Amino acid sequence: EPEVTQTPSHQVTQMGQEVILRCVPISNHLYFYWYRQILGQKVEFLVSFYNNEISEKSEIFDDQFSVERPDGSNFTLKIRSTKLEDSAMYFCASSGQGLDEQFFGPGTRLTVL
Amino acid sequence: DQQVKQNSPSLSVQEGRISILNCDYTNSMFDYFLWYKKYPAEGPTFLISISSIKDKNEDGRFTVFLNKSAKHLSLHIVPSQPGDSAVYFCAASSGGNKLVFGAGTILRVKS
Repeated sequence: EPEVTQTPSHQVTQMGQEVILRCVPISNHLYFYWYRQILGQKVEFLVSFYNNEISEKSEIFDDQFSVERPDGSNFTLKIRSTKLEDSAMYFCASSGQGLDEQFFGPGTRLTVL
Repeated sequence: DQQVKQNSPSLSVQEGRISILNCDYTNSMFDYFLWYKKYPAEGPTFLISISSIKDKNEDGRFTVFLNKSAKHLSLHIVPSQPGDSAVYFCAASSGGNKLVFGAGTILRVKS
């Protein structure tokens, strides 16, 4: 069964450093998403991506964040200068159509020290 | 952001009995609702969904009911199995795109 994959499973970084989280969505899907879950809190939407551009972003997704689909299979989330409060589980998701269910990857645990 | 609420942090059910998980929402623009199941250290796994034009959707042991006038949905699991023990998230969207999640309910099914 096709699935969303994410690498790395755990990333530890120093405050102020750049991180890139990687995702491989399900191959025939068209819509891609990033969500995060801070420990003990809800899963929160960050950004959606369709047709090589951002279709929607939350207020969390500020200038420190960017997304890219560099090669037609990977979907990346970059945090330019990490802050302590960026520590969270980051989930990638994809869907075939905008109104379909979203399938989530296993997540990347980001720890900012 | 309290647009999607799951007021019960946890639920304990005996194996073989029915589990009923509840979810309330405030945004009348939501038109698609989903339930996800999550185990520790894994991503949410899609379970079942329902469009706002329906009031019930069934898939095997899982049934989702939607009451639009009450802005309430529920997930019924019958019969409950120990492997159903997980965190269950209700989520909603408006016109596709982003999902708004509830806080989750921990379900424990006792054998």
